[in-house]
Amino acid sequence: SQQGEEDPQALSIQEGENATMNCSYKTSINNLQWYRQNSGRGLVHLILIRSNEREKHSGRLRVTLDTSKKSSSLLITASRAADTASYFCATGSGGSNYKLTFGKGTLLTVNP
Amino acid sequence: DTAVSQTPKYLVTQMGNDKSIKCEQNLGHDTMYWYKQDSKKFLKIMFSYNNKELIINETVPNRFSPKSPDKAHLNLHINSLELGDSAVYFCASSQIAGTYEQYFGPGTRLTVT
Repeated sequence: SQQGEEDPQALSIQEGENATMNCSYKTSINNLQWYRQNSGRGLVHLILIRSNEREKHSGRLRVTLDTSKKSSSLLITASRAADTASYFCATGSGGSNYKLTFGKGTLLTVNP
Repeated sequence: DTAVSQTPKYLVTQMGNDKSIKCEQNLGHDTMYWYKQDSKKFLKIMFSYNNKELIINETVPNRFSPKSPDKAHLNLHINSLELGDSAVYFCASSQIAGTYEQYFGPGTRLTVT
């Protein structure tokens, strides 16, 4: 069954603005990952946050994780037209049969 | 060098045919995956192999059969194709089966007519 749910489904902003995407999930997780998918391409890993971490940064990306609320957010600061893509959260769970369960994604459009 | 490659990129075929998609990774990873992305962009795992051993089989019809000849290759064979099989299929790999990032191939767009 689907685990992550991204919000909003679509987001349109101007270059230079910040973009925030949220993800909610239902069951316990080992970690949560964010991926980017440009149109017609494969997914690219952005950042991984473990269940015992609350915040992580990577360049212009900031991810938070609130396990009590079962939610995460991805903040992209100073957005660029090249950030236009779909963004997916994926929850990782399981031991030897570890797997990622993806949400439906947020389509981000950054207008120049 | 491409890390995870898939062939073909596009596949158009008729209902009832049998087709295969090939995947290769040159990252030295132990674990490989097949995902299906539908028209609404929902991505769902189908299979996972760790060092040639099947570890995840997510309620996929028996018409789908993965094969891993070695840990760098994971192929997907589909028998008796149906209209509902139309989707983009992604191969991915990770260092080991566990809490690691996954590297995705470019995808194979399968269209069944």
